[in-house]
Formats: sequence, C-alpha cells, structure tokens
Amino acid sequence: AQSVTQLGSHVSVSEGALVLLRCNYSSSVPPYLFWYVQYPNQGLQLLLKYTTGATLVKGINGFEAEFKKSETSFHLTKPSAHMSDAAEYFCAVSDAAGTASKLTFGTGTRLQVTL
Amino acid sequence: EAGVAQSPRYKIIEKRQSVAFWCNPISGHATLYWYQQILGQGPKLLIQFQNNGVVDDSQLPKDRFSAERLKGVDSTLKIQPAKLEDSAVYLCASSSTRNTEAFFGQGTRLTVV
Repeated sequence: AQSVTQLGSHVSVSEGALVLLRCNYSSSVPPYLFWYVQYPNQGLQLLLKYTTGATLVKGINGFEAEFKKSETSFHLTKPSAHMSDAAEYFCAVSDAAGTASKLTFGTGTRLQVTL
Repeated sequence: EAGVAQSPRYKIIEKRQSVAFWCNPISGHATLYWYQQILGQGPKLLIQFQNNGVVDDSQLPKDRFSAERLKGVDSTLKIQPAKLEDSAVYLCASSSTRNTEAFFGQGTRLTVV
C-alpha cells in the first residue's frame, strides 16, 4: 500500500519569499511522485512529476521538487512566490510497477501569498 | 486537444434522492478514473476503468454507488440513494496506456441536503 503525508495544511508566505511545501511518501515499490495544483472550483493541474532519472525535476510556473529516496521525501519549492501561486497543492504517489497514472493523494496544503 | 469534460458542474439534491454524473475523457485515453474529493481532503479513488472493464473498484461503496463505461469512452457515475456524507467534488480523470500523467476534469460539486 502507498500513502502520502503533507506536513502543514496551510502555509503562508510573503510575495517574493521562498515557497516550501513538504511531502513524504510511503511505498513498498519504486514510486512515481507528482505534485498537482488546484485553483478554486477547478480540477487538478499537473505541476511536475518524478518517474525515473534525474532526482531534481522542474515543473511549470517556476516550481521544482527533489526526490530523496533516503528521506522518502518529494518537497516542492519555488524561489520567489507570486500572488497567482495562491492555491491548494496536492502531492501524490503511484506505483511504477503497476498503473502509473493511478494516484494516491495527500490531504493537500493550501498556500496563501500575502503582500 | 480537448480536455476531460464533466457535467453537470454543480448539483444539489436531497438525501435519499439519486444523481448521475457524466464524464467524457480525452480522445484515445483507455484508462478512466473517478475520484471523490471531500472538502478539506485529497481526492480518493473510487473506481478505475481500462477501456470498458473495471480494474479497481475496491473503494467504491457498492451499496449505493455504481459506475459504467459501456463503450469504453464516456462514463457515468451514479449514487442511489444519496447520503449527506456524499457531499463532495467528483473528479473524472483519464490517461493513455503510454502516459504516466492523469488529466483531470473540472469536477462536479455535489451538495446533499
């Protein structure tokens, strides 16, 4: 079985500050890892994903995440927050040996960006 | 490329009534998912289809929920009878067999009163 833990249901940063959203996973098989963003009344949009290869992955809107197997982590970062980054962010894991697009989600982190 | 289409966007029903949601996946995507997202939680998988066959429905409350994908394209999710705790956003997603990425629709927000 797989699971995802997102530390911090709410994170608030100032515009221009570093964004750090934490995600730890549990998986008995090699995982694929994802970050999705959800704006109000919208579906989920993929920010970035790790499947194989380079452990530092870059996504859309200036976000990036690093897969650290030893720490079972996949934290999401952005050097400088923008007001438009305010949204709900979900970390998700899937089974690389099974259906890679079948996702187990964390509970989400709501990012607030203040002036 | 058209995205995943869902309808209706919003639905309000009384408890014990029935409701149905429709999903049209991205053309050519063999895999289709229905997720339930309760307010304040992450999406939870209800059912996974591969073409018109069910691959995983282990988390589907089968006493009241049903889903079908008869021709391997569109899918319908039904709740009968609805309970208050079914209030949630129901998300449909699809993926191709060659792709690790699932594409999500905008969801249907169900309110049971």
